[in-house]
Amino acid sequence: DAGVIQSPRHEVTEMGQEVTLRCKPISGHDYLFWYRQTMMRGLELLIYFNNNVPIDDSGMPEDRFSAKMPNASFSTLKIQPSEPRDSAVYFCASNFALGRVGGYTFGSGTRLTVV
Amino acid sequence: TQLLEQSPQFLSIQEGENLTVYCNSSSVFSSLQWYRQEPGEGPVLLVTVVTGGEVKKLKRLTFQFGDARKDSSLHITAAQPGDTGLYLCAGGSGGSNYKLTFGKGTLLTVNP
Repeated sequence: DAGVIQSPRHEVTEMGQEVTLRCKPISGHDYLFWYRQTMMRGLELLIYFNNNVPIDDSGMPEDRFSAKMPNASFSTLKIQPSEPRDSAVYFCASNFALGRVGGYTFGSGTRLTVV
Repeated sequence: TQLLEQSPQFLSIQEGENLTVYCNSSSVFSSLQWYRQEPGEGPVLLVTVVTGGEVKKLKRLTFQFGDARKDSSLHITAAQPGDTGLYLCAGGSGGSNYKLTFGKGTLLTVNP
C-alpha cells in the first residue's frame, strides 16, 4: 500500500486566494482526519469523517475552512479566502479501527505558506 | 477540553545516554499512543497502550501507561542518532466520537 497520499507537498499562495489541499486515504480505512500543525499550537484536529460523513468539525477555525469527502478514496480541505495566519503544515490521516486500539497513518503533509 | 502536557519540550543528549520523556493529563484516556515525527514527514505510530499500568517494549524503547490512565512515559536506553525526532503522545477519547488529542511533543536530538 502506498500509504496516505497528500498533494501538493508545498503550496505558496497570496493572501485572499483559494487553496485546496487533497488527500487519498489508505484503502479500507473508514476514518479520515485533517490536522494542522504549527510550532505554537502543535497538532490540532480540524475535522474528521467516518464512512465519508463528517462527524466532528468543531476544530475548523472559521467559515473560511471547508472539507469534503465525496467518496472513500478522496478528501479535500479548502481555505477561501486564505490569510497569512493559515500558514502551517496540514496533515491528513486515516484509520480503520473504531475505538481505542486503532493507530493513525499520516500522510507526509502539505506545507502551506500564505504571503 | 482534554489536554496533554509533554515534558521536556526539548532534549539534547549524547549517543549512548538514557532518557525519559513524559506525557501528563488531568483527564482519563481510553488509550494512549506514541508517535515519532521526522522533519518533513508525518508522525509515525510507535505504540498503543490501553490498560492502566501497561508496559510495552519496542527494542530500546519502553512505554508505560499510568495506573490511572492519565499519564505515560517513554524511556529510551542507549540512545542513537537515529532516535532523533519529535516524540508525540496522543490520548484517545474512545466511544462513538473517537478522536485523538495530541500533546505538543518533545524534540529529541541525539548527538553522535
